[in-house]
Amino acid sequence: AAGVIQSPRHLIKEKRETATLKCYPIPRHDTVYWYQQGPGQDPQFLISFYEKMQSDKGSIPDRFSAQQFSDYHSELNMSSLELGDSALYFCASSIDRGYYEQYFGPGTRLTVT
Amino acid sequence: AQTVTQSQPEMSVQEAETVTLSCTYDTSESDYYLFWYKQPPSRQMILVIRQEAYKQQNATENRFSVNFQKAAKSFSLKISDSQLGDAAMYFCAYSPNYGGATNKLIFGTGTLLAVQP
Repeated sequence: AAGVIQSPRHLIKEKRETATLKCYPIPRHDTVYWYQQGPGQDPQFLISFYEKMQSDKGSIPDRFSAQQFSDYHSELNMSSLELGDSALYFCASSIDRGYYEQYFGPGTRLTVT
Repeated sequence: AQTVTQSQPEMSVQEAETVTLSCTYDTSESDYYLFWYKQPPSRQMILVIRQEAYKQQNATENRFSVNFQKAAKSFSLKISDSQLGDAAMYFCAYSPNYGGATNKLIFGTGTLLAVQP
């Protein structure tokens, strides 16, 4: 079965640089979520999109922005990177079948030096 | 605010034995979902089991089962016949059900499970 695809899998950036993370949801899934997992921490919700519209927003810094495109893939744009942005960034997708489950991608490991 | 608490940072179990991981949550909502996710060393987040709050019957998936006590806001995971591959970080997660598929997950801090051969 097709899974959530994230690219790149690893990314190394320097402070103050910009990064773009991409997420391709499972086919026919209409909702995308972004989570950030710092070292030794639980995943924290950043933002979600339903049918290409922002549906919820969590603890996402103003330096970050995201969008969902017409083909349902999503991109998380991160500017003015800080050392504290180093984390594993997960994308998850879901569809409402009367119940729902979120399926996670493998994550993008971002290292800011 | 909705919160999820896992009071056991680490647990250990012998291979083939049974172990129970604890989770409590706090919410004023009446309709929600609860999940257990497994995160092995690969860091992939794998859904283990799901429970709808309106269902009284406890969910079961093969060797994994839950004890859902809605009044006590408790949601424990029982792993039977533990296997070496069960070693991982286990996260309990809560999601309010506001309808549609736009419900964020709120995670606990995780329980690191070790399986001894």
